[in-house]
Amino acid sequence: GAVVSQHPSWVICKSGTSVKIECRSLDFQATTMFWYRQFPKQSLMLMATSNEGSKATYEQGVEKDKFLINHASLTLSTLTVTSAHPEDSSFYICSAMGFGETQYFGPGTRLLVL
Amino acid sequence: GQNIDQPTEMTATEGAIVQINCTYQTSGFNGLFWYQQHAGEAPTFLSYNVLDGLEEKGRFSSFLSRSKGYSYLLLKELQMKDSASYLCAPLGEAGTALIFGKGTTLSVSS
Repeated sequence: GAVVSQHPSWVICKSGTSVKIECRSLDFQATTMFWYRQFPKQSLMLMATSNEGSKATYEQGVEKDKFLINHASLTLSTLTVTSAHPEDSSFYICSAMGFGETQYFGPGTRLLVL
Repeated sequence: GQNIDQPTEMTATEGAIVQINCTYQTSGFNGLFWYQQHAGEAPTFLSYNVLDGLEEKGRFSSFLSRSKGYSYLLLKELQMKDSASYLCAPLGEAGTALIFGKGTTLSVSS
């Protein structure tokens, strides 16, 4: 149980395009999901907290107009990187709060912006 | 604020036992998590301690002392596949995100 999926696992895009990443909790409902970003050899950095049916809460320094988050249902949150640039290339990972306080992570999405 | 302190790197040999220590400071406390992260992959859940004491789960055990702000992850009978980063993540306020430090990179050699 407590499986979280992400799609796509890899994406390569041209600079200026938008990319949507989906995060799904497959066998449980998640009122709250979290989006992280990780650069090579760096720690996971929290980008935003996504709550079902309400606006996401962004961490300081994360542009909400650039990283659009939609948590439309109890099993799906999406992160859209708008007008992506090479510096947005990173490993994006979502997590969903499952049983108790445990957070389960998706497998991550590697974004490469050319 | 939140502060997490773990050794950056550790090395060990197959079959050995290794203890990864973590000290933390948080505003509020609702438990402490340990995750394993292999290179290029997302973290996977290992353990959750909310009360003081030792939780054993197969080859992995985790210990918590809330009064000391201290936890450790104990790995027994090390295998090569245990080479990974180990992330200590205290949970401050309930329902909030986990904040991670840089973790401890463990290298297991034969």
